Amino acid sequence: ETGVTQTPRHLVMGMTNKKSLKCEQHLGHNAMYWYKQSAKKPLELMFVYSLEERVENNSVPSRFSPECPNSSHLFLHLHTLQPEDSALYLCASSQNRDSQYEQYFGPGTRLTVT
Amino acid sequence: QKEVEQDPGPLSVPEGAIVSLNCTYSNSAFQYFMWYRQYSRKGPELLMYTYSSGNKEDGRFTAQVDKSSKYISLFIRDSQPSDSATYLCAMSAFTNAGKSTFGDGTTLTVKP
Repeated sequence: ETGVTQTPRHLVMGMTNKKSLKCEQHLGHNAMYWYKQSAKKPLELMFVYSLEERVENNSVPSRFSPECPNSSHLFLHLHTLQPEDSALYLCASSQNRDSQYEQYFGPGTRLTVT
Repeated sequence: QKEVEQDPGPLSVPEGAIVSLNCTYSNSAFQYFMWYRQYSRKGPELLMYTYSSGNKEDGRFTAQVDKSSKYISLFIRDSQPSDSATYLCAMSAFTNAGKSTFGDGTTLTVKP
């Protein structure tokens, strides 16, 4: 595997379900990011991790819970989501937090909340 | 007012045309200016980034930054059908490490 991978690629969940999104980067980077991409809206930064420490939480509702067990892996735990949370969730990485101008993105997880 | 405004498109051009994609911004602290390309059902892919003002060229792509006007452009020469995608501009500041602000994107179609 190369670059940034995300699983699953597609996810349909009910409002009462709990699920997790997984991201893995094979680039040796130290910073990882979660973004939300909705139709007709710009990419929204959700969380930033630098060396496994959360350094940015962009006013994201608590029903989204990130986890970064090591510098290569990032998870987004989801529970009691709302239909408006349906979107493409993108993971990205960069060499470190200061090099956010050179981010590498995964293919995304297309989430549908029913 | 949004910090970053991107020409909305969509844009449709014939193969071989020169394409100009543009963004304006309001935050004078932005120092890095990036262009990403996103194909349908894929994640964004960094095309190039520029630090401060000036031009940067990579093959058929040229990025231009005019900080005095708070205006950036991406030019694509000899456009190809494979250039059909959504193009995102993004910007970041030294003082806000880890945070990039993105435009809404411009969808480009290059017709053979």
